[in-house]
Amino acid sequence: GAVVSQHPSWVICKSGTSVKIECRSLDFQATTMFWYRQFPKQSLMLMATSNEGSKATYEQGVEKDKFLINHASLTLSTLTVTSAHPEDSSFYICSPVDPKSTEAFFGQGTRLTVV
Amino acid sequence: AQRVTQPEKLLSVFKGAPVELKCNYSYSGSPELFWYVQYSRQRLQLLLRHISRESIKGFTADLNKGETSFHLKKPFAQEEDSAMYYCALTTNFGNEKLTFGTGTRLTIIP
Repeated sequence: GAVVSQHPSWVICKSGTSVKIECRSLDFQATTMFWYRQFPKQSLMLMATSNEGSKATYEQGVEKDKFLINHASLTLSTLTVTSAHPEDSSFYICSPVDPKSTEAFFGQGTRLTVV
Repeated sequence: AQRVTQPEKLLSVFKGAPVELKCNYSYSGSPELFWYVQYSRQRLQLLLRHISRESIKGFTADLNKGETSFHLKKPFAQEEDSAMYYCALTTNFGNEKLTFGTGTRLTIIP
């Protein structure tokens, strides 16, 4: 399968600080990137869809000013959680789509804990 | 809006016994259905998709439009099948915006 690198794997931060999560597709160029969030014992919920070079589309209930997504290149997308609060503690997963196969691949996820 | 339901959160099956993980969906159109698997300490990965009609690791899944189901089956469970399984659908072919079920944790008893 394709190689997707997501960093960091886990991060602990203080309330009010910002955290940046990086996602790289190492062997294909992803024009589309999805970001999911997973709370304990719940399913993955789509947060936003980003297309390279354009603004991200956010799902209902997801604050675009809080979860900043940058998809500046075909191999890198970042999610920045701004002014993090404890309720933002969750597991964040990126999913770039290989345009050739239309298959979605997944990063290993980032566990964010806000204290 | 579309929805995916996996009624079993936990499923334990003896090694060598048949496995069936249930998945039902609701969507008025024709969705594309997937099964994803997450082994311990590994990332989510595609197991199979209904349009490819493949059998992966002995698993098969048939889309039943009448019952709006996409159950995952394997005739003889193996210990390495223990994992978390997610059923998912997309309504945008070629743009894999997925709606996931809540997942079923399958444990194979030796």
